[in-house]
This record gives sequence, C-alpha cells and structure tokens, in this order.
Amino acid sequence: GAGVSQSPSNKVTEKGKDVELRCDPISGHTALYWYRQSLGQGLEFLIYFQGNSAPDKSGLPSDRFSAERTGGSVSTLTIQRTQQEDSAVYLCASSLQGATDTQYFGPGTRLTVL
Amino acid sequence: AQSVTQLGSHVSVSEGALVLLRCNYSSSVPPYLFWYVQYPNQGLQLLLKYTTGATLVKGINGFEAEFKKSETSFHLTKPSAHMSDAAEYFCAVGDQGGSEKLVFGKGTKLTVNP
Repeated sequence: GAGVSQSPSNKVTEKGKDVELRCDPISGHTALYWYRQSLGQGLEFLIYFQGNSAPDKSGLPSDRFSAERTGGSVSTLTIQRTQQEDSAVYLCASSLQGATDTQYFGPGTRLTVL
Repeated sequence: AQSVTQLGSHVSVSEGALVLLRCNYSSSVPPYLFWYVQYPNQGLQLLLKYTTGATLVKGINGFEAEFKKSETSFHLTKPSAHMSDAAEYFCAVGDQGGSEKLVFGKGTKLTVNP
C-alpha cells in the first residue's frame, strides 16, 4: 500500500514569506507527527495529532509555526514569516495509534529560506 | 524530561566487522526504545523497538539491541557489517503512560569500508 507522502519535496523561499507543507499519512493511521531535521541536530519533535484529540503542540518553536489536520487525515504545517533558521528538512510520520506503534516516515520536505 | 545520547556522530567499520552503535537514554518512567535507520536520500525506517518483555530485541537486516535498565542503554549491534549498512542511525525514546511523542538522538553516521 501507499506510504506517507509529503509535498513539495523541495521548497525554496525568501525570508519573510509564508510556506505550507503537506503530509498525507497512511490510510487508517490515527496518529500523525511532524518533526524537523536540521544538519547534525537529529530529529526535533514539532507537533502530534491523535484522532479527534487536541494536538500536542509542545514542540513548536515559535508562534510562527502552526499545523492542522483536516478530517483526521491530511495535515498541513504552516510557517509564517520564514526565517533563515527555519531551513531544514521537515518530516511527517504516521502510526496506527500511538507511542508503541511503529512510526512510518515520509520522504520529507527540504525547506531553504534565502 | 527525556533525552537520548548517541555516542559518536560518526562510526567507521570494515566490512565483516562488528557494528556497535551506542545509545543511552534518560527517562523517569519505563521507556519505549526504538532504532531507526535513514539510508542516503531516503526516509527513516524502523529497525527494531523495545516496549515490554524480552530485553534482547532482534530487528531487520541482522541488527539487534539489548535494553539494559541498570545502564540506561539500548546499544545497537550487528555481528558482521555489510556495505549496504552504510546509513545514519537514530535512537529514540518514548514514555510509557506519558506523552506520545518520541525524543530522538542526534544520529550516528555509519561508514562501512571495503
């Protein structure tokens, strides 16, 4: 079956512009995660959605970052007024339910802020 | 707060040699532990995980890891390295009964020399 897909695969933007990154999880997976992978920094948790529960936003680095998940499926991560330090690979993952379940990762979106 | 330390950002071994990638974690509650692998230009995929039960966990591609509570460690091993094992490896810890998010280490890049 289809895995987690993300679009676009690459995004180059100018400082101060807004960007939207999209994630399509595996069908039937109720949990969805966003991570940020910066060079040499590993994966940084951003936000977690589980079913209809309120999302865990504890990892969002600033109020310029927001995310939503519509209909319990597709998710969009929005970064407003992008800064150069936002440049990174943004990874989305989904899992069947939660913490003990395997997270399946998408290929990521490489964001470059000029 | 949970944290993960991967000793050695780069590890180099000869083909056929033992692979040992170190991971130590801190967690105030019994942890869930994971190893993920990221091959060049690909997304992350699960190698193995420990949730409960047997402390020696076997994963894909001949890898295994042992949960040692007294040492707060979850080191990854493979008896004989293959060229195809060259990749970046990430250790991650999750909470039992706590947040659903995973905390990842900064990764260890494995190079296999012929």
